[in-house]
Amino acid sequence: GENVEQHPSTLSVQEGDSAVIKCTYSDSASNYFPWYKQELGKRPQLIIDIRSNVGEKKDQRIAVTLNKTAKHFSLHITETQPEDSAVYFCAASNSGNQFYFGTGTSLTVIP
Amino acid sequence: ETGVTQTPRHLVMGMTNKKSLKCEQHLGHNAMYWYKQSAKKPLELMFVYSLEERVENNSVPSRFSPECPNSSHLFLHLHTLQPEDSALYLCASSQDGATNYGYTFGSGTRLTVV
Repeated sequence: GENVEQHPSTLSVQEGDSAVIKCTYSDSASNYFPWYKQELGKRPQLIIDIRSNVGEKKDQRIAVTLNKTAKHFSLHITETQPEDSAVYFCAASNSGNQFYFGTGTSLTVIP
Repeated sequence: ETGVTQTPRHLVMGMTNKKSLKCEQHLGHNAMYWYKQSAKKPLELMFVYSLEERVENNSVPSRFSPECPNSSHLFLHLHTLQPEDSALYLCASSQDGATNYGYTFGSGTRLTVV
């Protein structure tokens, strides 16, 4: 089965700096990679996703990059704000119903 | 409200109790999921229902019993649980397979087994 690893497990950045979270996956058949943000006490919410036919996708301050050869994908948050503080999960899927999630990264943005 | 509602939000139960978690989605999705979220672990898929039929059962102990009476409702029946079952239980739904649109999660039920 698929194995998704996520690093770092915790990340602290100063407000205005960038944050990068990295994930690797093992199944070369995986073709869809969403990222979820979970604020304290709230539900995970999809913030951005990328499919295997695309190398990069951007949505305002958030971007995701995918390297299929190396089997890794990354979340980039620029100009971080305190409201970006949350746990971020990456996931991978190979067209089935199931996602394989990373262990999460707890991001703290220090004002 | 995102359209996936879970009740109760919090549940404390003894190991001999029987309780049920409820999930309801108002998004017209045709697949629903139960996940277990424990501290410092990946989200663990428990069950998948697609078009009201169970399509995944990831080696979950029989003390967890799912039920999907229709495409809008999903239940997780609990009995004789163990303290290690304490976790956040998340319901999610999706349309036409999660890989097209991703999941919409509910807010979860925080379960404590005493």
